[in-house]
Amino acid sequence: DAGVIQSPRHEVTEMGQEVTLRCKPISGHDYLFWYRQTMMRGLELLIYFNNNVPIDDSGMPEDRFSAKMPNASFSTLKIQPSEPRDSAVYFCASRIAGRHGEQFFGPGTRLTVL
Amino acid sequence: AQSVTQLGSHVSVSEGALVLLRCNYSSSVPPYLFWYVQYPNQGLQLLLKYTTGATLVKGINGFEAEFKKSETSFHLTKPSAHMSDAAEYFCAVSDRSGNQFYFGTGTSLTVIP
Repeated sequence: DAGVIQSPRHEVTEMGQEVTLRCKPISGHDYLFWYRQTMMRGLELLIYFNNNVPIDDSGMPEDRFSAKMPNASFSTLKIQPSEPRDSAVYFCASRIAGRHGEQFFGPGTRLTVL
Repeated sequence: AQSVTQLGSHVSVSEGALVLLRCNYSSSVPPYLFWYVQYPNQGLQLLLKYTTGATLVKGINGFEAEFKKSETSFHLTKPSAHMSDAAEYFCAVSDRSGNQFYFGTGTSLTVIP
């Protein structure tokens, strides 16, 4: 089975540019999570969806960040405009209802904002 | 509120020696507890989890952890370290929904040949 797929794996951009990160969850999973990992703050939950509906976005740092899930097989995390402090590894994870905590993580997108 | 503390950001053990990674948690309700492993340039992989029932939980790759409510601990152990165990290990706690995860800061395990 294919795992969680994220693209791109690496992104280098300049401050002020728009960045879009993409995620394809495991088929049949009805929860999708976006995390950010930095040396300073560790792993932080940004937002999660259930059945394509955003449930909790309290972890989204600023209005510059937005996330969508137009269908069960695709989600995006957008940063506009990007800033150097957004540099981090962004992970997408998914899970199926009823299996508490067993989240399956993608390989991550390493974002560098110059 | 929930939180996780991992004691020791770096742990080194000799190949074949006992691995002990420490995790203490804080939770106002009975928690779900997890250990994840992250290999370089990869996502996190679930090692094991405790939800209810038996407090000694066995996971993949020979790892196990014991939930000790009185000590609010969930330490990860493996009797004999292997070179392939070198990775970053994260302890996490969640509420009963399984959606609000709080990760520790991670422990980097080095295995010395």
